[in-house]
Amino acid sequence: AQSVSQHNHHVILSEAASLELGCNYSYGGTVNLFWYVQYPGQHLQLLLKYFSGDPLVKGIKGFEAEFIKSKFSFNLRKPSVQWSDTAEYFCAVKPNDYKLSFGAGTTVTVRA
Amino acid sequence: ETGVTQTPRHLVMGMTNKKSLKCEQHLGHNAMYWYKQSAKKPLELMFVYSLEERVENNSVPSRFSPECPNSSHLFLHLHTLQPEDSALYLCASSQDFVAQQFFGPGTRLTVL
Repeated sequence: AQSVSQHNHHVILSEAASLELGCNYSYGGTVNLFWYVQYPGQHLQLLLKYFSGDPLVKGIKGFEAEFIKSKFSFNLRKPSVQWSDTAEYFCAVKPNDYKLSFGAGTTVTVRA
Repeated sequence: ETGVTQTPRHLVMGMTNKKSLKCEQHLGHNAMYWYKQSAKKPLELMFVYSLEERVENNSVPSRFSPECPNSSHLFLHLHTLQPEDSALYLCASSQDFVAQQFFGPGTRLTVL
């Protein structure tokens, strides 16, 4: 069965620190990859996605993610976080059908 | 605002009650989804509809009954639920199975 693993359950860091959230998946075929974010009290929204092409994907709000096929990974990064980046972050993987599989999520707390 | 609305936002019900969750999308999408989000667990896909036809019932107990009367509306009928069914129920829609999914704000359900 396909699974998505997010390495960190809760990350706490200070403003201006760099952020990297790990995501690995177990599906061996062609996949589409996503990072979603859920700010406190708000709905899930898409940060960025990878379908094909350049494995380094730029998203909104200064986030980027790198697809490394050999490692089955799609890690999310941001060089300098802000207090407003406090949220829960979800990695999701979708093969060429409709089933979007999510990781358990990583809670990111940014201290001012 | 993503164009996907859900009502009610909060629901408390007893185990013998019957209630319904409503989802509406204003995006002209053809696919709609129900997910269950429990604390510290990955989002679980429950049901998928494409052009008002159910294409997935992901081993969901029969006490959850979906209905898709048209491509803009999706319901989740609930009856004789259990306390462990307490969770955030998310609706999502997408143009097709390839495109990204847009999520609603969710209904926070508590079963007493």
